[in-house]
Amino acid sequence: QVQLQESGPGLVKPSGSLSLTCTVSGGSISGSNNYWGWIRQPPGKGLEWIGSIFHSGVTHYKASLTSRVSLSLDTSTNQFFLDLTSVTAADTAVYYCARHPPDYGDGWYFTLWGRGTLVTVS
Amino acid sequence: SYELTQPPSVSVSPGQTARITCSADVLSRQYVHWYQQRPGQAPVLVIYKDSERPSGIPERFSGSSSGTKATLTISGVQAEDEADYFCQSPDSSGRYHVVFGGGTKLTVL
Repeated sequence: QVQLQESGPGLVKPSGSLSLTCTVSGGSISGSNNYWGWIRQPPGKGLEWIGSIFHSGVTHYKASLTSRVSLSLDTSTNQFFLDLTSVTAADTAVYYCARHPPDYGDGWYFTLWGRGTLVTVS
Repeated sequence: SYELTQPPSVSVSPGQTARITCSADVLSRQYVHWYQQRPGQAPVLVIYKDSERPSGIPERFSGSSSGTKATLTISGVQAEDEADYFCQSPDSSGRYHVVFGGGTKLTVL
């Protein structure tokens, strides 16, 4: 079955950039009618959607993060990526990659999640 | 900004029914989805589109929505249901945005 796995540095310096990769196995990004998204969760707090990308390259970002975030994907390696610039301690969180159907009218529910990776800004 | 409000905590005894609510001013026009997150684990979708249950989710999980409130109901609560539960809905402003509720800690006494 399809699985998602996040990877990337666990420690990033303030004012630096956070770059994460989500590797999709058991299925194809380009062959799947899904969006691929990123959600984060600061320690002990709730979930925050960061953004989503379709295999065509169409992206949607949380408004408050638009100036710092960029999503991309590589269909040849079946991976998608998160880049977050000018990070501060407030960006410390567990970062999850996830999959959701494309129809916004259905509300974009996340049907499959990675296990998450903790990124600390310090 | 669009916000979803959940009670911070709900407590029930095993075998009882737990109800977790999610409120917002314009919820009546949006689908609501629910996730279960056990400690140290990723969230799992337990209800989507107000009341649909994904395959593999026990029948004791159900959802409903009326007016400005959505409710996740867990009938015959078991110890393994102790977890955080988050509701989620699209932003009502017309932007392509996702909003999560603050989460509810379900404690099984």
